[in-house]
Amino acid sequence: GESVGLHLPTLSVQEGDNSIINCAYSNSASDYFIWYKQESGKGPQFIIDIRSNMDKRQGQRVTVLLNKTVKHLSLQIAATQPGDSAVYFCAETGSGGYQKVTFGTGTKLQVIP
Amino acid sequence: GAVVSQHPSRVICKSGTSVKIECRSLDFQATTMFWYRQFPKQSLMLMATSNEGSKATYEQGVEKDKFLINHASLTLSTLTVTSAHPEDSSFYICSGRTGQQGGTEAFFGQGTRLTVV
Repeated sequence: GESVGLHLPTLSVQEGDNSIINCAYSNSASDYFIWYKQESGKGPQFIIDIRSNMDKRQGQRVTVLLNKTVKHLSLQIAATQPGDSAVYFCAETGSGGYQKVTFGTGTKLQVIP
Repeated sequence: GAVVSQHPSRVICKSGTSVKIECRSLDFQATTMFWYRQFPKQSLMLMATSNEGSKATYEQGVEKDKFLINHASLTLSTLTVTSAHPEDSSFYICSGRTGQQGGTEAFFGQGTRLTVV
């Protein structure tokens, strides 16, 4: 079936360095892709999203890249901080508010002080 | 962003009893609400989708008679775990989206840690 998955389960990064978290998806019909951050014992927190008609979107310290040719999504975090330590999920959904959000497997980001 | 309030955050219940989890959208109308289940170190797995005033649509493998979902208003959805067993222990998370076309963001509650003893 269709799925959204990640390449790396765990990523360790030195504080101050940039982090790159990758994701592969298989549903070419997806309209939106979203990155979420989840801290232990909490619900997912929206980070940034990107529409399928875009290939790059920037936020504060974060950038999402979308490569539709190879169905690949990445999240770049600049100047990674200890507070960035969490599990990051990519997710895909359709444009309608009634459409479900399907999550990938998640990557744990560990920031080394 | 919009706020989804989920209650309780933690609950411990005895095997065989029922537990109700509430999910409220505080500053938007959640036309559609989603309920997820998450086991430790795993991703969020969708259990069901509910539209206000309609019966919920359950994902394959989810028992609708065990996980009762009510979405009676645009700001409140409830999940009741009936006759809970230890294997139902998990982290349950709700999410709300508006019905507006083009609205992309789904807002998540803080989750409920259910422990069945």
